[in-house]
Order: sequence, then structure tokens, then C-alpha cells
Amino acid sequence: KQEVTQIPAALSVPEGENLVLNCSFTDSAIYNLQWFRQDPGKGLTSLLLIQSSQREQTSGRLNASLDKSSGRSTLYIAASQPGDSATYLCAASGYSTLTFGKGTMLLVSP
Amino acid sequence: DAGITQSPRHKVTETGTPVTLRCHQTENHRYMYWYRQDPGHGLRLIHYSYGVKDTDKGEVSDGYSVSRSKTEDFLLTLESATSSQTSVYFCAISEAGGNGETQYFGPGTRLLVL
Repeated sequence: KQEVTQIPAALSVPEGENLVLNCSFTDSAIYNLQWFRQDPGKGLTSLLLIQSSQREQTSGRLNASLDKSSGRSTLYIAASQPGDSATYLCAASGYSTLTFGKGTMLLVSP
Repeated sequence: DAGITQSPRHKVTETGTPVTLRCHQTENHRYMYWYRQDPGHGLRLIHYSYGVKDTDKGEVSDGYSVSRSKTEDFLLTLESATSSQTSVYFCAISEAGGNGETQYFGPGTRLLVL
């Protein structure tokens, strides 16, 4: 059974800092690794999807990396802004389903 | 935004009553999913569908049933609601399952079982 862990559970940083969110998974036989953002009281929004054959994906100030052999992924956020405050979830993909971590709650203060 | 709606958005019910939640999509995606999200447990898969009348169980399927008679609608039924089913329920859709495609999420339904 796939298990996904995210560290830290919560993170508070001042605006402008670069930060790294961590995700680990127990079964390396994944199709892809996905990162989502969830704002309070809202659904999830897809941020980045890294295929199992890829090492990283970038979108704007976000960069996600994947190391399948070690069962790890990181989400790097450059020059953080208050609007980045949200919960970030990673999910490991099997053939038809995703297994989610419990998320990292990020607060970026002005 | 992907065209996904969930109804109702909020519901309060009593223990022992049946409850049906509806997910409707306008994207014609093949896969549809029902999740529940609870503090301390994160997002957990209840059931999913990979086509009309084709469904499978997820991690926490006990006490829930689903039906999909049309591509655009996926229903989640709590046959006899219990307080442990108080949660936020999310529907998601995907064109090609987990194999290379992301999932798009609905706004959620907050269910309180008294």
C-alpha cells in the first residue's frame, strides 16, 4: 500500500524567502507525482505533474523535482509572496488513482 | 476552471438517514472520483469510476455506494449516515486516470451528521 508523507506539516516564512516543501512515498512504482494547492474552504488546484521518467517540472516561481529511486519529491517556491499562503499537497499516482499526503500548510507573512 | 459542480454544497442530516451527493461534469472526462477530507487523515479515496456503470472501491469505501449511469454524473450515497461520515467530500475528474493526467477537483460538499 502506497504511503505519502509530507514534511513539514506547517511552515511560516516572511515574504521574499525561497522555500522547499518535502514529499516522500514508500512505493517507487509510480506513474507520476503531482503537487496541488488548496486554499481554505476550497477544492484542490493542480500545480505541477512530474512524469515518472522526468526529474523536474517548472511553472513560474515553482519547481518540482522527483527522485523515484529514493521515493522523494520536493516543491521549491522562489521569492514567496503572501498570495502563496495555502496548503500544498503532493500525490503519488498509481494506474488509476492518487494517494495523497496530508499536506504542508504554508503561511507567508508580509 | 474545469466544469465540475457538486450538490448540495452543504448538508446537515441525522444519523440513520440516507444521503446522496451529486457530482456533475461538463468536460466529458472518463474518470470520476469521490474523496473525503478529514483533519489528521488528509484526502482519502472512497470510490472511483472509469466509465459508465464501471466503478471500483477506494481506501475508505465501507458505508458508501456509488452509481454512474451517465458520463457526466457520479453519485455518492451514504445508505445510513453515521457521525463518523461527517466530513468534506470532494469530487474529482480525470481524462485518463492516474497515468499521465492530473485530476481536477470540485468545490466540495460539507456534510454534518448529527
